[in-house]
Amino acid sequence: NAGVTQTPKFRVLKTGQSMTLLCAQDMNHEYMYWYRQDPGMGLRLIHYSVGEGTTAKGEVPDGYNVSRLKKQNFLLGLESAAPSQTSVYFCASSYEVGTISYEQYFGPGTRLTVT
Amino acid sequence: AQKVTQAQTEISVVEKEDVTLDCVYETRDTTYYLFWYKQPPSGELVFLIRRNSFDEQNEISGRYSWNFQKSTSSFNFTITASQVVDSAVYFCALTPNTGKLIFGQGTTLQVKP
Repeated sequence: NAGVTQTPKFRVLKTGQSMTLLCAQDMNHEYMYWYRQDPGMGLRLIHYSVGEGTTAKGEVPDGYNVSRLKKQNFLLGLESAAPSQTSVYFCASSYEVGTISYEQYFGPGTRLTVT
Repeated sequence: AQKVTQAQTEISVVEKEDVTLDCVYETRDTTYYLFWYKQPPSGELVFLIRRNSFDEQNEISGRYSWNFQKSTSSFNFTITASQVVDSAVYFCALTPNTGKLIFGQGTTLQVKP
């Protein structure tokens, strides 16, 4: 099993450009998440999904959109990149049963720089 | 408010010393889960432990141990006889409701030979 994979690993964008980050998981997890990690701030939740076709906003959703067309994939889009979106982006997935939360499995991260 | 505080930003120890990483959390939920993750210099996030709010038993796994105290809303992590390979950023996290993780700011641990 590959676990959680992210594409691409690195990317440099110019202000105003758009891009999509792809996350894929092969563990049949219902829940998927996108986080960003900035120095001194831990990881912050951008958007998440509790199942195919559903998405919800996290703590810092502005400037991002997401889609979950297939259970195994979760896409994060930046429509008009800004320097403030320079960060390391992590995707994660988890198995949930009712109100029982299990650990999240993380991808390797995507380092995005917006100039 | 749901919050996780890791007051220690950086800790530096010499190999073989014991070290404790502090984690204090806030939540009004009666059912919640607490986690510790390790982020080594390579950047990936590695799951270490999960604990639910009804299980206050301390846990030991090799050189790692965790002390969960609901009375003080703390979930501290101790590494015994630290090694250079323990050098990493350690995150404490809280799930107050299904799925969403709230992370602390992280503690950078440097273990010197």
